Amino acid sequence: QSVLTQPPSASGTPGQRVTISCSGSSSNIGSNTVNWYQQLPGTAPKLLIYSNNQRPSGVPDRFSGSKSGTSASLAISGLQSEDEADYYCAAWDDSLISYVFGTGTKVTVL
Amino acid sequence: QVQLQESGPGLVKPSQTLSLTCTVSGGSISSGGYYWSWIRQHPGKGLEWIGYIYYSGSTYYNPSLKSRVTISVDTSKNQFSLKLSSVTAADTAVYYCATMVPNDYFDYWGQGTLVTVSS
Repeated sequence: QSVLTQPPSASGTPGQRVTISCSGSSSNIGSNTVNWYQQLPGTAPKLLIYSNNQRPSGVPDRFSGSKSGTSASLAISGLQSEDEADYYCAAWDDSLISYVFGTGTKVTVL
Repeated sequence: QVQLQESGPGLVKPSQTLSLTCTVSGGSISSGGYYWSWIRQHPGKGLEWIGYIYYSGSTYYNPSLKSRVTISVDTSKNQFSLKLSSVTAADTAVYYCATMVPNDYFDYWGQGTLVTVSS
């Protein structure tokens, strides 16, 4: 059972902005950086955002991350059909002494 | 750019030991800087971190799996391996190897390999 909670689904039409929340606690998001992963259907996860709001080389600037207290968010602006995927937040947890992933959010482009 | 490839049996019998190997190319395990990690994903479910090994052989495992997990490294072959003992159907999953920036994020992933536990 994950300690990072995400909404199971989110959707939008092409061009819209979609936001995904990730709720944690003081032992994970509250004290460590948050990372986001994108998993396209049938493929391995891919690092999308690291250190709360940094994009790896090659990730479009349509993707942005933020963190406040014990919560984090991923925003996708200018939604495109190729953004249909599962998105996971993740962080180190100091209490569990383990790396934890969020429950995952499936983004659908209508 | 680092590339990783998992290999091993796709079918394991209950109570036996699951064994997988991750072959690294485009970089050396011995160069340091990364924790070499295993992650799994149950069918249709989320991701679960299993553990990691440093090139020196130091390991750290997810406490929930610690009693059954062993991760080892063979720097001469540029490979690291996962053993999970006493498997049950609940261990059926896609297993990924990945590079981990220490206690932070996974930046390179293998394509994953499905392991089914069944008699």
